Amino acid sequence: NAGVMQNPRHLVRRRGQEARLRCSPMKGHSHVYWYRQLPEEGLKFMVYLQKENIIDESGMPKERFSAEFPKEGPSILRIQQVVRGDSAAYFCASSPSNLQETQYFGPGTRLLVL
Amino acid sequence: GENVEQHPSTLSVQEGDSAVIKCTYSDSASNYFPWYKQELGKRPQLIIDIRSNVGEKKDQRIAVTLNKTAKHFSLHITETQPEDSAVYFCAVRSNDYKLSFGAGTTVTVRA
Repeated sequence: NAGVMQNPRHLVRRRGQEARLRCSPMKGHSHVYWYRQLPEEGLKFMVYLQKENIIDESGMPKERFSAEFPKEGPSILRIQQVVRGDSAAYFCASSPSNLQETQYFGPGTRLLVL
Repeated sequence: GENVEQHPSTLSVQEGDSAVIKCTYSDSASNYFPWYKQELGKRPQLIIDIRSNVGEKKDQRIAVTLNKTAKHFSLHITETQPEDSAVYFCAVRSNDYKLSFGAGTTVTVRA
């Protein structure tokens, strides 16, 4: 049973470009969470999604950031017009349901904005 | 939102000694308290967790204690080994499903 998959593992973008980060949850998991980790800091919640629904996006910046989890395919975190402050590690986690609290993390995508 | 404080930020212990990390939280409705270990450049890995109806849980050299009245919980690592060196994060889950993380503790085990 494969774990949570994320790609790409490393992403370099120039200011103003778009970044697309993908997350495939563990098999049987329908709940996805995105977190951002700045260097030497803890993880900060961004968004919680179920299939075709955004449940809670209270941690996501109102502008330039969006997330989706379509019926088919991975969850996507999209950052438009990236700025240097977007440089961070972005982790995705999944759980089988909201009744099961344990979240399993993917390997992360390390975004570097030049 | 939930406010989670974690102490200490760094911890250096001699191999074989114990390490203790403490976290406090603000929301009395919080009901799930996991601990994650993160090695450099790797994903956070769940090492132990505890729910609000339990006061203590142990798994080999790792234990977690929870004091709901005081709103704090602690991670205890006994007989530390060099491979225990990593950053440890506590987290708290309230009714809104998301995890709120502490700032992390960098543990260094000296051989």
